[in-house]
Amino acid sequence: NAGVTQTPKFQVLKTGQSMTLQCAQDMNHNSMYWYRQDPGMGLRLIYYSASEGTTDKGEVPNGYNVSRLNKREFSLRLESAAPSQTSVYFCASVVEDTKYEQYFGPGTRLTVT
Amino acid sequence: SQQGEEDPQALSIQEGENATMNCSYKTSINNLQWYRQNSGRGLVHLILIRSNEREKHSGRLRVTLDTSKKSSSLLITASRAADTASYFCATDRGSTLGRLYFGRGTQLTVWP
Repeated sequence: NAGVTQTPKFQVLKTGQSMTLQCAQDMNHNSMYWYRQDPGMGLRLIYYSASEGTTDKGEVPNGYNVSRLNKREFSLRLESAAPSQTSVYFCASVVEDTKYEQYFGPGTRLTVT
Repeated sequence: SQQGEEDPQALSIQEGENATMNCSYKTSINNLQWYRQNSGRGLVHLILIRSNEREKHSGRLRVTLDTSKKSSSLLITASRAADTASYFCATDRGSTLGRLYFGRGTQLTVWP
């Protein structure tokens, strides 16, 4: 049982490049989330998915797209990376019976130059 | 905007001492959670307290919630060097969708 996995762990992009961050969970959770963490800012929700086939915007969705490929996988895409998107990105899924306790992946550290 | 605001921003103590961190929030909530983040790692859930609860314990952790003051505190008793981490509070702002709003965190350093 791997929990929540994220790939890649590190990535450096040039401004304007695109990339997809991958997230998968093996806990059969319905809800999944993408956050970004910037120094001194805590975590901010980018997008979330309450179930397979549905996605909704969070606090800071601009510049990102998401895909809930199936129940296990939730990907985050940067179509045209900007230096302001330099951050650490975390994926999480929620424990269904408590509904609120979230399991987090190890994060992807992204630098856009 | 940040929902939870933790204070202090940084706390430095010796092993064996107690560590108290506070969190304030602005809207009504269904529950409040505390998470820990070790350097370079993801967040780990510590404890959840519901809006109708005033105090909750889990091992060396004690959480209190005062909904009239919109504040919560996390007490770690008999701190250990391994407790060194950032601690975040998170609320749901009354939503039932599972969305969480995090504060900026308290960086706790416990010296051996």
